[in-house]
Amino acid sequence: EVHLLESGGGLVQPGASLRLSCAASGFTFSDYRMTWVRQAPGKGLEWVSTISGSGDTSYSADAVKARFTISRDNSKNTLYLQMNSLRPEDTAIYYCAKEEGIVGVVFDSWGQGNLVSVSS
Amino acid sequence: DIQMTQSPSFLAASVGDRVTITCRASQGIANSLAWYQQKPGEAPKLLLSTASRLHSGVPYRFSGRGSGTDYTLTISSLQPEDFATYSCQQYYSTPWTFGQGTKVEIK
Repeated sequence: EVHLLESGGGLVQPGASLRLSCAASGFTFSDYRMTWVRQAPGKGLEWVSTISGSGDTSYSADAVKARFTISRDNSKNTLYLQMNSLRPEDTAIYYCAKEEGIVGVVFDSWGQGNLVSVSS
Repeated sequence: DIQMTQSPSFLAASVGDRVTITCRASQGIANSLAWYQQKPGEAPKLLLSTASRLHSGVPYRFSGRGSGTDYTLTISSLQPEDFATYSCQQYYSTPWTFGQGTKVEIK
């Protein structure tokens, strides 16, 4: 059974940094692209960043491209999101998600979510 | 960016009702469309991909169809566990984008 466990969220002030982690189990981690998706309070889902299975290719939304960095350690089956220069509008639940693997960047398994709050 | 617009945003229905939710893309997405269900306090769950392909374990009362820019999700007979928010997602091109969600509530 696929299991994704996020950690690292919390309350920070604007301009601060945070690193989210997502520990994966139940599948061959390096075979799948992994993604971070966020959801602001009361809002819809927003794609943040995706990384290839090998980690050599990544894509990020324009809203975070210059500030967030996605990475992975396949030896530890762990996905990361380094978030710098955080803004109040980054406040959201951040989910890590596993690619379905056949049709494209569709997410068949999700973590429980990790709340990031940015406020002074 | 491809904009995804769902309608309606809210829907009140009764158990046993047939429910249809629409998702419209701002440009053609060649059936590269997924649907998710999300309940309060939970992560989304994949229902369908490729517009009409049911994900493993999803009940057959869920179905999808569409082409080009217009897609629908239909629940043939609404069950108590189906009251949730439903979101579409296009994966035709980056940035991958979601609809704003349709909340299905109990009438």
